[in-house]
Formats: sequence, structure tokens, C-alpha cells
Amino acid sequence: NAGVTQTPKFQVLKTGQSMTLQCAQDMNHNSMYWYRQDPGMGLRLIYYSASEGTTDKGEVPNGYNVSRLNKREFSLRLESAAPSQTSVYFCASSPIGGQGGKLFFGSGTQLSVL
Amino acid sequence: QQPVQSPQAVILREGEDAVINCSSSKALYSVHWYRQKHGEAPVFLMILLKGGEQKGHEKISASFNEKKQQSSLYLTASQLSYSGTYFCGTENNAGNMLTFGGGTRLMVKP
Repeated sequence: NAGVTQTPKFQVLKTGQSMTLQCAQDMNHNSMYWYRQDPGMGLRLIYYSASEGTTDKGEVPNGYNVSRLNKREFSLRLESAAPSQTSVYFCASSPIGGQGGKLFFGSGTQLSVL
Repeated sequence: QQPVQSPQAVILREGEDAVINCSSSKALYSVHWYRQKHGEAPVFLMILLKGGEQKGHEKISASFNEKKQQSSLYLTASQLSYSGTYFCGTENNAGNMLTFGGGTRLMVKP
């Protein structure tokens, strides 16, 4: 089983460029999440999708958009990248939307914005 | 609002014990604990639901005091493989968001 798969693993952008980070899970999980982790810091929630067809803002949603394409896929889009968005991005999924659901993380995307 | 973890860093000798604390200013439904090795994704250790139960995972256990809105992670007889950064994540009673603390960096030396 692949679990949670993120692409790409590394990306370098120039300020103002746009890009989409892809995430797919093969565990039939209902909920999916996007977190960012800055160097030496904890994980901050950007957006989440409790179930197919729904998305909600997390702690730091500004500058991002998401799409829950189907139950498997949850993408994160940066419309106009800024240096402050340089970070490692983790996608995660959970069988339960909240209320104690364990998170399964992807391997991360390291994004640098110059 | 992010939970607060303490200490921020711990250095141990193999075989020593450690306690990592996590506290929140809000009423909690559950507390999660994850461990992250350098350059890797966080890996789930355990969940504690409100009710004050204590859970264990090998020589790692945790407690949850919902009245104090605190959780503690206990690492006994530490092994080299325990090195990494430990994060607590908390869910409030609405249960729709997992918010992580800033992490505790643990280094176990031979």
C-alpha cells in the first residue's frame, strides 16, 4: 500500500509564480489535511476537508486554495507564491473527520520561493 | 490556538527517562502524540481521549488530564531510536481540527 502520496517532493518557484501540490491517498479515508512546517517549528494547518465535497480553513489559509477533487485526492494551490511560503508541506489523511482520528502523513514537499 | 509543549529540548543518555508536557488553554476532546525523525514525516504514537486514560506504546506511555487540559508523554529507559522531535496535537470539543504544539526535540546519546 502506498498510503499518502505527495508530488512533487521538491520545488523551487520565483515570487509571483503559481503551482499546485498534489496529494492522493489509497486508504479510503474520509478526511484530508494540508499542513506547513517551517524550520524548527511545529505543524500549522492550512486547510482541511472533513469529507468529500467539503473544505474548511485551518490556522493559516491566506495565500492558498484547495480542491477536494474526489475522495482520494486533495490538492493545494499557491496562486502567487511569496517568499513567506517557503516551507515543507505535508498532506495527511484520517479515517475519521476529527474526534480522535489518527493522521497518516505523506513524505512532504519542500518548497522554496525565491 | 496552539498547545504549549515543554521542554523545548532534552538530551538524555541511553537508559534514562524523560517527560514531555503539553498544555492547552481550551477544553480538549483528545490529545495526539507524534514523533518526527529529521527529514521525515511525523509518525503517529498514540491518541488519548477525554476520560483521563493512560496509554502505552512499548516503553512510551502518556496521560491526559482533561480538567487541567494537559497531557504528558513518558519515555522510560530511552533507546537511541527514540531520538527525534515529539509533537502533541490537540482537538477541541468541536473535533474538526488538530492543532500541533511547537515540538520537543529529544536526543538520546550512547
